[in-house]
Amino acid sequence: KQEVTQIPAALSVPEGENLVLNCSFTDSAIYNLQWFRQDPGKGLTSLLLIQSSQREQTSGRLNASLDKSSGRSTLYIAASQPGDSATYLCAVLHAGNMLTFGGGTRLMVKP
Amino acid sequence: DAGITQSPRYKITETGRQVTLMCHQTWSHSYMFWYRQDLGHGLRLIYYSAAADITDKGEVPDGYVVSRSKTENFPLTLESATRSQTSVYFCASSGRGYSYNEQFFGPGTRLTVL
Repeated sequence: KQEVTQIPAALSVPEGENLVLNCSFTDSAIYNLQWFRQDPGKGLTSLLLIQSSQREQTSGRLNASLDKSSGRSTLYIAASQPGDSATYLCAVLHAGNMLTFGGGTRLMVKP
Repeated sequence: DAGITQSPRYKITETGRQVTLMCHQTWSHSYMFWYRQDLGHGLRLIYYSAAADITDKGEVPDGYVVSRSKTENFPLTLESATRSQTSVYFCASSGRGYSYNEQFFGPGTRLTVL
């Protein structure tokens, strides 16, 4: 059974810092990996999608990498801002048409 | 462009009642999904649909029924609600080429079963 783990569960950083969120998965047979952002009481916003054949994707200050063989992905946020405060979720699409989610990393960026 | 909408946004019901949660998307996406989000369990797939009249079970389908007569709608029914079904329910959709498309999520429905 596919399991997705995100470390750390919570992170607090001062504004302007660069940071890395980690995601690991147990079964490397995935179709893609997706990073989401969720604000309190809100839905999920898709940030980046990395296909299984890709190594990384970039969008603005966000960069996500994928190492399928080791079952790892990282989300790099450059020059963090208070508006980046949210929960970040990674999810892998795998056999059975299932998107399995990690538990999320709750990020707080302090002004 | 409304994207993907869910209704109601909040619902309180009693044990044993039937409840239907609605999901509507305007992108003509072929795939649609229902997830529930619970503290300690994260997001889990309940049911999904590859196209109209095609549905399949996800990780936690027991106690739920789905239908998809039209591409744009994917209602989720709790036939006899239980307290364990208190949760936040998210609908999502994705376009053609399923394996290589992003899933886009609706705003969620917060359901409380008393």
